[in-house]
Amino acid sequence: LAKTTQPISMDSYEGQEVNITCSHNNIATNDYITWYQQFPSQGPRFIIQGYKTKVTNEVASLFIPADRKSSTLSLPRVSLSDTAVYYCLVAFNQAGTALIFGKGTTLSVSS
Amino acid sequence: DGGITQSPKYLFRKEGQNVTLSCEQNLNHDAMYWYRQDPGQGLRLIYYSQIVNDFQKGDIAEGYSVSREKKESFPLTVTSAQKNPTAFYLCASSSGAAGNQPQHFGDGTRLSIL
Repeated sequence: LAKTTQPISMDSYEGQEVNITCSHNNIATNDYITWYQQFPSQGPRFIIQGYKTKVTNEVASLFIPADRKSSTLSLPRVSLSDTAVYYCLVAFNQAGTALIFGKGTTLSVSS
Repeated sequence: DGGITQSPKYLFRKEGQNVTLSCEQNLNHDAMYWYRQDPGQGLRLIYYSQIVNDFQKGDIAEGYSVSREKKESFPLTVTSAQKNPTAFYLCASSSGAAGNQPQHFGDGTRLSIL
């Protein structure tokens, strides 16, 4: 049974690097991992996507180890405006496509 | 400005009524999705459509129905068979196959039972 697991909450201070890990069992070689950010009463917003090794864009990095049983979203130098809920999504492409979201990690950034 | 428009933002339903949630996109995306979000939960897939006139059930399709007559539109009907419909409903679209392209989300419809 495909499943994604992430921590319920994390706390940080402005300027720190934050790493949020998502565990995903039964992931295949070409299954994509995507991270989204959500503010209250809004739809999620795309942050980053990848399926192996490391991906970096202007706001975040995504690290996927060789065994692919987990992935880590890295947010460099967070600010107060990064306080939000972060979701990982795994597209399990086995016997059809299953889009499985984690239950979300609430990140609280303080000054 | 391209995006996903969901309407209404808030919707109230009486017991035994069907209600339809609207979702329109002008991104020219082939794939569209409906999710349900409950407090403290992740998003759960209700239905998705990868092409016009075709759609597939997600994990929690019971009590819901959809249609995809136009590329831009993917309405969701919450039927009276859905016994616990109170939730935040999110519509999304993507340019390619489900999962390997980023999804663009609307800002949701909050459905409540009167």
